[in-house]
Amino acid sequence: QVQLQESGPGLVKASETLSLTCTVSGGSISASGYYWAWIRQPPGKGLEWIESIYYSGSTYYNPSLKSRVSISAHWSKDEFSLRLTSVTAADTAIYYCARCGDGPRDFDIWGQGTMVTVSS
Amino acid sequence: QSALTQPASVSGSPGQSITISCTGTSSDVGGYNYVSWYQQHPGKVPKLLIYGVGNRPSGVSNRFSGSKSGSTASLTISGLQAEDEADYYCGSYTRSVTWVFGGGTKVTVL
Repeated sequence: QVQLQESGPGLVKASETLSLTCTVSGGSISASGYYWAWIRQPPGKGLEWIESIYYSGSTYYNPSLKSRVSISAHWSKDEFSLRLTSVTAADTAIYYCARCGDGPRDFDIWGQGTMVTVSS
Repeated sequence: QSALTQPASVSGSPGQSITISCTGTSSDVGGYNYVSWYQQHPGKVPKLLIYGVGNRPSGVSNRFSGSKSGSTASLTISGLQAEDEADYYCGSYTRSVTWVFGGGTKVTVL
């Protein structure tokens, strides 16, 4: 079955750039009909959708983060990545990658999440 | 885009039914049947509970049901059990080809 795994640094300095990668196994991110997404959850708070990339390569961003984020895919490796610039303490969160089906538009498979702390 | 509105907490006794509301706008909840619900136990990964307003993925108990009226979606948990104590989030696809979540509801089993 499809599994997702996040990887990247757990500690990032304020004003620097956060980069995370999600590796997909048991399936291909090029398979038609799926979006691949990044979602985050600050400690003790709710979920926030960050961005998504469609199997066609189209990208979509949360308007509140659009000026600082980007998503890209390494199609042959079945990996996609998050890049968040000029981080602050407010970006401290668990970052999840997730799969979203084109039909139901829900997040049906999630990675385990990776905690990222922004230090001053 | 604004987060969907959920009550901060809902509680009930074992065996009772509870309902969690999720209010959006005509640009998200009211405009599409793409409302989903997620259950998250402390320290765990969110789990898809309901998709497409009222559909359950395979393996999800039929004690969980979803519905929608206008721009407000609802999740009902019937026959409340101790294991249902968790945080619940609604989510919706939006007209702008983005996604938005609710602030989350903490369910307490008394």
